Amino acid sequence: QKEVEQNSGPLSVPEGAIASLNCTYSDRVSQSFFWYRQYSGKSPELIMSIYSNGDKEDGRFTAQLNKASQYVSLLIRDSQPSDSATYLCAVNENTGAGSYQLTFGKGTKLSVIP
Amino acid sequence: GAVVSQHPSRVICKSGTSVKIECRSLDFQATTMFWYRQFPKQSLMLMATSNEGSKATYEQGVEKDKFLINHASLTLSTLTVTSAHPEDSSFYICSANRGAYYNEQFFGPGTRLTVL
Repeated sequence: QKEVEQNSGPLSVPEGAIASLNCTYSDRVSQSFFWYRQYSGKSPELIMSIYSNGDKEDGRFTAQLNKASQYVSLLIRDSQPSDSATYLCAVNENTGAGSYQLTFGKGTKLSVIP
Repeated sequence: GAVVSQHPSRVICKSGTSVKIECRSLDFQATTMFWYRQFPKQSLMLMATSNEGSKATYEQGVEKDKFLINHASLTLSTLTVTSAHPEDSSFYICSANRGAYYNEQFFGPGTRLTVL
């Protein structure tokens, strides 16, 4: 059973601080990794994709990937109350015959305190 | 870009009726669409994978005769919940991928189904 593990939280950070979200995965051959943000009662929204080892920055968000350690993280700089949501880590898995599906972690609930 | 729409956003129906939910990729062609279900405060659960022009692949435990999926074109997939019962009440969300290998999935806004 391929797994994606996240700390469920809640993770509370003060406004303006850096929020650090972590994720580990079990499938060594996975090639693509995603972070989704899900507000309560809404569907997930893709905020970051990362495919290569290292850092990828987009605005206040930085995704970090270490395939050797099977670890992917998301940093949110200058956290805002509007960043309060559940963050889902997703890993692409090859299910065979050219088919792929995402395996999701259970999500980390982030709360940014004004 | 990468917008996925879903219709209806909310539906309330009587037990025993069938409900059809549409999922469309508006600005890209999706070779594969996915249907998920999410109960309150729980994780996303993949129900089925839908490829254009072929039969859907259902996850273990999902009844294919109850949840009918049709993927008629590269921009449209439909999920029909047949003979709905109160235990089918849930948040149904579709997604579409913009490329098979990396499988970057974009989600629709979801459909909240309540069966009375």
